[in-house]
Amino acid sequence: QSALTQPASVSGSPGQSITISCTGTSSDVGTYNLVSWYQHHPGKAPRLMIYEDTKRPSGVSNRFSGSKSGNTASLTISGLQAEDGADYYCCSYAGTKFARFGGGTKLTVL
Amino acid sequence: EVQLVESGGGLVQPGRSLRLSCAASGFTFNDYAMHWVRQGPGRGLEWVASINWNSDVLGYADSVKGRLTISRDSAKNSLYLQMDGLRTDDTALYFCARDVGPGDYNAFHTWGQGTMVTVSS
Repeated sequence: QSALTQPASVSGSPGQSITISCTGTSSDVGTYNLVSWYQHHPGKAPRLMIYEDTKRPSGVSNRFSGSKSGNTASLTISGLQAEDGADYYCCSYAGTKFARFGGGTKLTVL
Repeated sequence: EVQLVESGGGLVQPGRSLRLSCAASGFTFNDYAMHWVRQGPGRGLEWVASINWNSDVLGYADSVKGRLTISRDSAKNSLYLQMDGLRTDDTALYFCARDVGPGDYNAFHTWGQGTMVTVSS
C-alpha cells in the first residue's frame, strides 16, 4: 500500500497563506471524494481539520480549507498563526484498501 | 463530550499477543464506524483496521492482515484490537478513532490519546 505523497515540510510567516499538497492516484484521491486532513501536535491526539475533500468539522476555523483537482488534494491555511505549527497528514479512502495516509508535512511558522 | 480512552499497551516479546481496548463515551457508539491508527517511532500515521457500525464490514492494512483482529462490543461501548504474532515493526503508539458516520470509512473524526505498544526481546 503506497502512501500518498506530501512535501516533507513547508513554512510561512504569521498572516501569510500556505498550501500543502497531497498526491495520490486514480485508486484513491482521484476516484473518491473522501480526502481528509489532520493536524497533529506531537504528544497530542490528531485533530480532523477537513473531511470529504472540502468540509470543515464544527469548531475548525474557516482559515482552513480543502480542495482537490484530479489526483491531487490540497490544504490551504490562510492568516497563518503561531499555533498552526504542527504536522499535517492527508488521508484518502482507497476502496478495498480502505484508508491511505500521506507521509506527513511539518509546518513551521517563522 | 466525546471521549475515547485506549488501554492495554505495554512491552511484549516478539511472537506474543496483546489486546488493546478503547472505551467510548459521550456519543451513541452503535451509530459510528470505528478504527485503529498507529504511529511508529519517528514515523507518520498508518491506518491499521476498521469496523463498521454493526461489525458487518471489517478492513485491515496488508501489514497486519491475519495477525490483528478488530472487534467491538456495543453493550460495553468498547472497541478492541487483538494483536497476535507481534513483530518488532508493530512497535507504535496505537490510536482509537471514531468515524464521521456509520459506514466502513469516511474520516477519523475523534481520536483518543493512544496507548503505546513496544515489541522487543
